[in-house]
Amino acid sequence: GAVVSQHPSWVICKSGTSVKIECRSLDFQATTMFWYRQFPKQSLMLMATSNEGSKATYEQGVEKDKFLINHASLTLSTLTVTSAHPEDSSFYICSARDRASANYGYTFGSGTRLTVV
Amino acid sequence: GDSVTQMEGPVTLSEEAFLTINCTYTATGYPSLFWYVQYPGEGLQLLLKATKADDKGSNKGFEATYRKETTSFHLEKGSVQVSDSAVYFCALVRSSNTGKLIFGQGTTLQVKP
Repeated sequence: GAVVSQHPSWVICKSGTSVKIECRSLDFQATTMFWYRQFPKQSLMLMATSNEGSKATYEQGVEKDKFLINHASLTLSTLTVTSAHPEDSSFYICSARDRASANYGYTFGSGTRLTVV
Repeated sequence: GDSVTQMEGPVTLSEEAFLTINCTYTATGYPSLFWYVQYPGEGLQLLLKATKADDKGSNKGFEATYRKETTSFHLEKGSVQVSDSAVYFCALVRSSNTGKLIFGQGTTLQVKP
């Protein structure tokens, strides 16, 4: 079945540094990637939607200059958290939409636990 | 706007008990409905889905029926196992909404041996 590889699975960084998270669709073409943020024991909050070759669409309240999203190819999307601060610590999950799926096939990455110290 | 409401958790059951997790939705038109499961420290896995009214999605002993008249998509399983312990999310998507999944708040299920 469809697989999305998300790396790293966890990362610890210092305040003020930047962290890049990658999501790759391994055996399908992902026309659309979604990036979510999940706080402990809470639901997923959609941060942005990215389409291959175009600028990401950010949800209201999400700082696009802080959370940089790049979707340069049909198999790779990256989220860069710039100048990270402790309040950015969270679980980040990507989801890829399978171009070939007729029934809204979504495949999720395994998530990245970001801790900013 | 579109929304999904799930029953509050956590739900604690003994092994082999019957499970119901309620899910209701608000959306215009005919959304597709999903149940996802999240195990600790992992991403989400699709459990089952239904794309039109009266469809029944089923997988691994879980099932849910798309009820348009009650705008519900309740998750059921006849006999839960300890390995079913996880967080369950109900979600919907509308084709006119750029394919964005709208999630419920999640329900934690804990099954005790």
